[in-house]
Amino acid sequence: QQQVKQSPQSLIVQKGGISIINCAYENTAFDYFPWYQQFPGKGPALLIAIRPDVSEKKEGRFTISFNKSAKQFSLHIMDSQPGDSATYFCAASRNDYKLSFGAGTTVTVRA
Amino acid sequence: DTAVSQTPKYLVTQMGNDKSIKCEQNLGHDTMYWYKQDSKKFLKIMFSYNNKELIINETVPNRFSPKSPDKAHLNLHINSLELGDSAVYFCASSQGQGQSNEKLFFGSGTQLSVL
Repeated sequence: QQQVKQSPQSLIVQKGGISIINCAYENTAFDYFPWYQQFPGKGPALLIAIRPDVSEKKEGRFTISFNKSAKQFSLHIMDSQPGDSATYFCAASRNDYKLSFGAGTTVTVRA
Repeated sequence: DTAVSQTPKYLVTQMGNDKSIKCEQNLGHDTMYWYKQDSKKFLKIMFSYNNKELIINETVPNRFSPKSPDKAHLNLHINSLELGDSAVYFCASSQGQGQSNEKLFFGSGTQLSVL
């Protein structure tokens, strides 16, 4: 069963707009929450990550918001650019070599 | 110089055939993985090796057999291919301490199409 639920499945945003992707998990043993970005024909690559003791992490135009009590976290892409068009995966892990991925969100940024 | 490289990029074959996918990493990592991405882009771990030892074996048909000749290589052999095996298979590696914050480095994938 899927341990990390991700929504929406896809979204379209205008250039300069904000993209928001949401994820939720159940297993409180997870202690690391990365986001991976995948371009067509390529493998996923780590974009940004957060630990549950932090409520927000920002790297450039990408921000993770984390709500530990609700067991939810989200990725915000500010000032979205056409080059951000990709599939984004949230994930969760603990110390067991397994990374549980969400189902992915395909983001399309229209110029 | 590609960090995680896998070959072939594309593999088209008939049902019932046996095929192999090769993976090599030059990052000096101790752990390597095989992930399967289905047509809906869902990523699921199949196997993981740490220093040539199998540490993760998810519920994968035993037609799939990974082999790690050394810690820089992890190959995937598939026997008696079925239509449902069509997917993109990704090799990945990580430093390999088993820490939750380990970054995974993925190859570019092998698109397997079974006809």
